[in-house]
Amino acid sequence: SQQGEEDPQALSIQEGENATMNCSYKTSINNLQWYRQNSGRGLVHLILIRSNEREKHSGRLRVTLDTSKKSSSLLITASRAADTASYFCATSSGAQKLVFGQGTRLTINP
Amino acid sequence: GAVVSQHPSWVICKSGTSVKIECRSLDFQATTMFWYRQFPKQSLMLMATSNEGSKATYEQGVEKDKFLINHASLTLSTLTVTSAHPEDSSFYICSARDDSRGPGRNTEAFFGQGTRLTVV
Repeated sequence: SQQGEEDPQALSIQEGENATMNCSYKTSINNLQWYRQNSGRGLVHLILIRSNEREKHSGRLRVTLDTSKKSSSLLITASRAADTASYFCATSSGAQKLVFGQGTRLTINP
Repeated sequence: GAVVSQHPSWVICKSGTSVKIECRSLDFQATTMFWYRQFPKQSLMLMATSNEGSKATYEQGVEKDKFLINHASLTLSTLTVTSAHPEDSSFYICSARDDSRGPGRNTEAFFGQGTRLTVV
């Protein structure tokens, strides 16, 4: 069964704007990860945030984690057309397996 | 970075036949690999955890006799869809973690490029 929900399911913005995606989960976790998927392709790891961390940055990406609310957000700043993809959060708890959220389809309009 | 190669990238087969999908970690060893299934515009559903040298662990609702998993070496796991039916048509993706990075709980997973299966 799926761990959580992502919000919004689809997001369309203009190039240069910031994109924010949210993820909620249901159980306690070791870490939360964000992945990107281009249409019909595999997933690419973006960033991992551990349960004892609250915020993490990587280039134009900023991830926050609120374990009290069981939620995370991914912010992409200064978006580019090449950022168009689906973005998934995934949680890891106990076992090594990852459980994925529903995903957000992001479209960056040039 | 670590690379996971999945083959074939797409396959079309007739109903009733079996199809084998390979997942290889090219530059690292993976005791454990994972198989996912993804329907169009949906998320990844974990099907099973593949364990080197032992039986796979299947998620609830996944038929182990339908989806045969073999993990004979530290770099190769295979998924065989047996007696395929049109409803098995989907995108199948494997992933693996690098054993050398220690316990897998706080490490990233590397994904294959996926296999598009179409059963006609």
